[in-house]
Amino acid sequence: AQTVTQSQPEMSVQEAETVTLSCTYDTSENNYYLFWYKQPPSRQMILVIRQEAYKQQNATENRFSVNFQKAAKSFSLKISDSQLGDTAMYFCAFIPNNTDKLIFGTGTRLQVFP
Amino acid sequence: DVKVTQSSRYLVKRTGEKVFLECVQDMDHENMFWYRQDPGLGLRLIYFSYDVKMKEKGDIPEGYSVSREKKERFSLILESASTNQTSMYLCASSRPQGTEAFFGQGTRLTVV
Repeated sequence: AQTVTQSQPEMSVQEAETVTLSCTYDTSENNYYLFWYKQPPSRQMILVIRQEAYKQQNATENRFSVNFQKAAKSFSLKISDSQLGDTAMYFCAFIPNNTDKLIFGTGTRLQVFP
Repeated sequence: DVKVTQSSRYLVKRTGEKVFLECVQDMDHENMFWYRQDPGLGLRLIYFSYDVKMKEKGDIPEGYSVSREKKERFSLILESASTNQTSMYLCASSRPQGTEAFFGQGTRLTVV
């Protein structure tokens, strides 16, 4: 079975600091897609960042970047200069190449403190 | 502005009732999804549809069915609601080939 594991149920960080959220996944495929989604208290799920497995370069979006380690099947999210608005649930997700099924991890609740 | 709309934000139903959760997207997306979100369990896929009238079971299809008669609409049906189906239900849509999924606001269903 293809699975996504987020081992940190909760994390906290002080405003302006950097935090890294962990994600590992399990697949036997060589090509797939990885995502981080954010769900703030408003419940609206939005995409943070997307990575294609065949691209070696780590994706970045402003203060958000990933550390994609394909051999280790690891896909961590780094948030730099944390802001109060980053407080949310963060979900790691994965799409195998032979399907469009989007598979989620259990999420990490991030609290940013002033 | 792209949009996925779920018919209700909050719903209270009685045990044994047949429940319909509706989802409509205006982006002409091929894929549509229904997830269930529970604390500590993340989002679990109930059903996935990749085209009109086409569907695949997700990880937890028991007690649920779906209908997709038109491309823009994907309905989740609880044939006989039970208290263990009390949860947050999220609908999403996407294009093929690993593209971004867009989500609705969610429906918090309580079965009493």
